[in-house]
Amino acid sequence: ETGVTQTPRHLVMGMTNKKSLKCEQHLGHNAMYWYKQSAKKPLELMFVYNFKEQTENNSVPSRFSPECPNSSHLFLHLHTLQPEDSALYLCASSQVAGTLAGNTIYFGEGSWLTVV
Amino acid sequence: TQLLEQSPQFLSIQEGENLTVYCNSSSVFSSLQWYRQEPGEGPVLLVTVVTGGEVKKLKRLTFQFGDARKDSSLHITAAQPGDTGLYLCAGMGGTSYGKLTFGQGTILTVHP
Repeated sequence: ETGVTQTPRHLVMGMTNKKSLKCEQHLGHNAMYWYKQSAKKPLELMFVYNFKEQTENNSVPSRFSPECPNSSHLFLHLHTLQPEDSALYLCASSQVAGTLAGNTIYFGEGSWLTVV
Repeated sequence: TQLLEQSPQFLSIQEGENLTVYCNSSSVFSSLQWYRQEPGEGPVLLVTVVTGGEVKKLKRLTFQFGDARKDSSLHITAAQPGDTGLYLCAGMGGTSYGKLTFGQGTILTVHP
């Protein structure tokens, strides 16, 4: 148990569906992240939120829409996805989003997404 | 673009053997983190190293941060089947402010 909880753990959706991934952290952190993990690729940072404000969008297609209503919750809204978007989507949190020595990032267990 | 080269990509060994995984970059990082990930799960933090030359031990695992903070190693002594998994190194800082740059990972299989 890392203190970062993701739901659902598994999601299968059609290309015309709209769905959302949810993340909640119980660590009192102020920064939250979405990462994408595909086979044979390093983990890819998608979005960063610091104190509820988006500070990083790593050239992510608009069919992925993040939402951060408060420092403890992060959503990833999905619509009109493509099969190549199938991957493990990981939420993470840290004390703040910044280059502080020892600013450790903690990951959730991930949401497996399959687009059919 | 910062890169972290992790080697080897695959490692298959017998129980009781020792092994070392390397993580190298041309960039300087303010800290470096090692994670272990099991299939279908998220990465779990093993250790964070911050100071150049720092050595940290976690039971049979020894982590070292290079003096110049550009490289790191993970050494496992007397590996056990329970050590099987994907090991990821990730560097924080450098030119990618606030970002964690990940290596490709090392898939370790320890056979009984």
